[in-house]
Formats: sequence, structure tokens, C-alpha cells
Amino acid sequence: DGGITQSPKYLFRKEGQNVTLSCEQNLNHDAMYWYRQDPGQGLRLIYYSQIVNDFQKGDIAEGYSVSREKKESFPLTVTSAQKNPTAFYLCASSIRRENTEAFFGQGTRLTVV
Amino acid sequence: GENVEQHPSTLSVQEGDSAVIKCTYSDSASNYFPWYKQELGKGPQLIIDIRSNVGEKKDQRIAVTLNKTAKHFSLHITETQPEDSAVYFCAASPGGFKTIFGAGTRLFVKA
Repeated sequence: DGGITQSPKYLFRKEGQNVTLSCEQNLNHDAMYWYRQDPGQGLRLIYYSQIVNDFQKGDIAEGYSVSREKKESFPLTVTSAQKNPTAFYLCASSIRRENTEAFFGQGTRLTVV
Repeated sequence: GENVEQHPSTLSVQEGDSAVIKCTYSDSASNYFPWYKQELGKGPQLIIDIRSNVGEKKDQRIAVTLNKTAKHFSLHITETQPEDSAVYFCAASPGGFKTIFGAGTRLFVKA
């Protein structure tokens, strides 16, 4: 089955530590995205990548970093510089065309303890 | 800046009734308007979308209407069922790879 997989589903991190969230897709999509979801708010774009070895900052990129070494993979690192990292993180992918459907993963809930 | 306002934030209906969720966008360059459904603990899933050259689109019990002049678009769900209970997000895309999401509407369908 084609799809987009995020792992882990739940993640706990101690304050001051970096943590990496995994996102893998087998849909052969060129474009991949990371969103942050907070209660009562819409999805906010952290980073996106249109093609391998290229990525762009979204609206709330501070304190986050990404890499796109393979078409299938787009990991997100939440660094210790992110002031309020506790949130639900969603990865998505789409074909490399504007104004098209995004396919989302199941999300990772990150809690800083 | 660009934003999408979505109302209501919570909606409770009786099974079989209709549900309407309304959104307003600010960027007049927006030309693609998807609606996503998010069930508890899952990622959002597209349920219907509409492009700016169309005023209305229907798919079984779901319909979306678009008023570009007023910058409004709405989701209509008829004959609601308990499995329609979820959070619904509207979104507007002004082009490029940017999509602006509304804050979401939590729909409860009471059996």
C-alpha cells in the first residue's frame, strides 16, 4: 500500500535535547512538507521541499532543521533552540505541482518533559 | 498577512441533519480551496476541493461552494452520520506551494 509514514507516534524529550522525527513516503512524490498543529489553531508550515537536496523555510522555521537526501525521506529535527516544542507534528507529501492534494502522515506527538 | 478564518469552531448536530462550515480568506490570489477531515489521532485527509473557476462542487453528501467576490467558501454535509464526527479544516492556496489553513471546526454528530 502506498502511503506516508511518520515515526514514532509519541515522543518525549527532555528540555535542552535535540530530537528527530521521521517521515517516509512511497508515493513517489517530489514535494514534502512539515506542519505543526497546536490546539485551536490551523496547521502551520515549518519547512517544505520540492525536490531532493532542496528545501525552503515555511512560516515557523526557527528552532527546526530538515534534510532531503532521498526522495522518500524528509526528517525533521526539533532543536533545543525551539522555545515551545510540545505539539503535534504532521508530515505531508504531494506531486510536484501547485494547488494539489496533500497526503498526510498519522502525525507525531512530541512532549517536552 | 494572509489568513483564513473558519467558523464555527465547534458544531453539534443531530444525526440526519445538515452541517455547514464557513471560511473566509484574505489573499485574493487564492485559487485552490481544499477541505480536510481529521479523525482523532490521525492526519488530515482530503474530502473535497474546489478551484477558483468553479462556483460549486458536489460529491455525494458533501458539497463546497465558492464566492470569489466575497472571498467566502463553505462546506455543506447533508444527512450527517456519526462517522462524520471529526475536525474539519478549510484551506486556501494562493499559488506556489503555500497553503493557509483555517483553525478547524470540531463537528459532533449525535446519534
